[in-house]
Amino acid sequence: GAVVSQHPSRVICKSGTSVKIECRSLDFQATTMFWYRQFPKKSLMLMATSNEGSKATYEQGVEKDKFLINHASLTLSTLTVTSAHPEDSSFYICSARRTRDRGPYEQYFGPGTRLTVT
Amino acid sequence: AQKVTQAQTEISVVEKEDVTLDCVYETRDTTYYLFWYKQPPSGELVFLIRRNSFDEQNEISGRYSWNFQKSTSSFNFTITASQVVDSAVYFCALSDLNNDMRFGAGTRLTVKP
Repeated sequence: GAVVSQHPSRVICKSGTSVKIECRSLDFQATTMFWYRQFPKKSLMLMATSNEGSKATYEQGVEKDKFLINHASLTLSTLTVTSAHPEDSSFYICSARRTRDRGPYEQYFGPGTRLTVT
Repeated sequence: AQKVTQAQTEISVVEKEDVTLDCVYETRDTTYYLFWYKQPPSGELVFLIRRNSFDEQNEISGRYSWNFQKSTSSFNFTITASQVVDSAVYFCALSDLNNDMRFGAGTRLTVKP
């Protein structure tokens, strides 16, 4: 159990376009989901925490208008990279926390989405 | 503020050698969780272990073992008799009760045949 999927796994888009990445918890409900970004040969950096039915909480330095996060259901969160630029090219990973978990909490990670902006 | 330091950027060993990956953390919380993840070339994070701050018992799982020492704020990971399939980037991470997880920079392990 506790499987998280991401779609697409890879996407190439042109500069100036927007791209949406989906994160789904397949066999559990997730009140909270997290979005991370990983540059080549670098660590994972938390971008934002997504809570179902409310606005996402963004980490310092992450542009809210650039990276739109929607968590409309207990199994789906989406990250939309708007007006993408080549510097947005990165590996985006989501994770989900199971709603029923009361601690210790565990994040279940998706397989990641590799975004390339040309 | 929470911080995780993995001082070893890259390690290269020959198959069957033992290797230890270091992890040092900083936190002001008394309750926290420590993790190790493996990231193979495919990119997907593979969960290896979680430890809470009140459990300092060392753990062994097959060829993997972990040494948690609060006195030195370290949570080191040892692979015994390394294999080529162990080649990956390994991340140490620290999480508070709110699930605010911070990752170390990662250690790239290469095991040569």
